[in-house]
Amino acid sequence: DQQVKQNSPSLSVQEGRISILNCDYTNSMFDYFLWYKKYPAEGPTFLISISSIKDKNEDGRFTVFLNKSAKHLSLHIVPSQPGDSAVYFCAASVMRSQGNLIFGKGTKLSVKP
Amino acid sequence: ETGVTQSPTHLIKTRGQQVTLRCSSQSGHNTVSWYQQALGQGPQFIFQYYREEENGRGNFPPRFSGLQFPNYSSELNVNALELDDSALYLCASSWNRGRAEAFFGQGTRLTVV
Repeated sequence: DQQVKQNSPSLSVQEGRISILNCDYTNSMFDYFLWYKKYPAEGPTFLISISSIKDKNEDGRFTVFLNKSAKHLSLHIVPSQPGDSAVYFCAASVMRSQGNLIFGKGTKLSVKP
Repeated sequence: ETGVTQSPTHLIKTRGQQVTLRCSSQSGHNTVSWYQQALGQGPQFIFQYYREEENGRGNFPPRFSGLQFPNYSSELNVNALELDDSALYLCASSWNRGRAEAFFGQGTRLTVV
């Protein structure tokens, strides 16, 4: 039973355009959501997070949108750069619990020059 | 400020053996979590330690055990290794158990033959 789903295994985008990565979740108890980026042979790197009391959080080129009614969040990268090519993981947490992270399977983003 | 470091980076063990993986948490962090990432999957929560005590556990059998030391470094022990234990093992540290943003090490690639 997958509580966090990233239905697109891969995404290819042209440099300078927008990258949109999607994530769906099933557990309505989740109250905190995070995005991580992972390069080969490295551990995941924290990118951006959002609390369930917000619907948008922005940090430079990265914006996360949360639609609680649809149990859906997305990560927008504008403009996309070749260095953004990596696997992106969506993760969710129940902060009232111990706060462990439930991850999706990841989306591999390729940004072409 | 040093990041999260894990040792060893790669390890090959035989089925039935025991293994110990080590993690040094980021300076100032008192919470350590361990995750298992199988090929093509997202990281899966094993357990979390907060101030030297287990603070939550995922769906892993008792042969997966851990320790946290007074300096907040941690060990993951796996007994009676099985072929399916082959995976990337990730350690993540955070400021306290109430914070979801966790910072990951580069991982230990365990291969069981």
